[in-house]
Amino acid sequence: NAGVTQTPKFRILKIGQSMTLQCTQDMNHNYMYWYRQDPGMGLKLIYYSVGAGITDKGEVPNGYNVSRSTTEDFPLRLELAAPSQTSVYFCASTRGQTNSPLHFGNGTRLTVT
Amino acid sequence: KNEVEQSPQNLTAQEGEFITINCSYSVGISALHWLQQHPGGGIVSLFMLSSGKKKHGRLIATINIQEKHSSLHITASHPRDSAVYICAVRSRGSQGNLIFGKGTKLSVKP
Repeated sequence: NAGVTQTPKFRILKIGQSMTLQCTQDMNHNYMYWYRQDPGMGLKLIYYSVGAGITDKGEVPNGYNVSRSTTEDFPLRLELAAPSQTSVYFCASTRGQTNSPLHFGNGTRLTVT
Repeated sequence: KNEVEQSPQNLTAQEGEFITINCSYSVGISALHWLQQHPGGGIVSLFMLSSGKKKHGRLIATINIQEKHSSLHITASHPRDSAVYICAVRSRGSQGNLIFGKGTKLSVKP
């Protein structure tokens, strides 16, 4: 049981480049989330999904896009990378019931220069 | 003011000490989570609480819903407990999303 798998672990982008952060889970969870973690700050929600075909914006969605074509996959797209997007990105999933634990991927450390 | 406040921000302890990390929140919640983030960066769920107290090994988590406060206790601390401990709350009616505290960085010296 792999849980939540994120790829890549590290990436360096130049300003204006684009990339997709991959996230997949094998627990048949309906709810999936993308967070970013900046130094000294709590995790901030970028986008979330409550099921295949349904996505919604979180607290900091600007500069990002997502899709949820299957229950398992929830990729995060950066279209025009900016230095402000330098951060550590975490994907997470949960069954969605009130008292379901949250499962995190190992994170992607992204640097935009 | 952040909706979830943790204290202290940093904590250094000697091996064997009893440790308490506090979390206060200002919103109505359906659950509170304690998470652990090791220096490698991965985040692991330690506890999920909606009332009372939970214990797992040397870790104990308590919550007082009326006072909007939770504590995480570590008994007989060990250097391997060194990590960032994060409190997060699931507000009532949310789509499963969490509001996170900034974390408490714990360092346990041998």
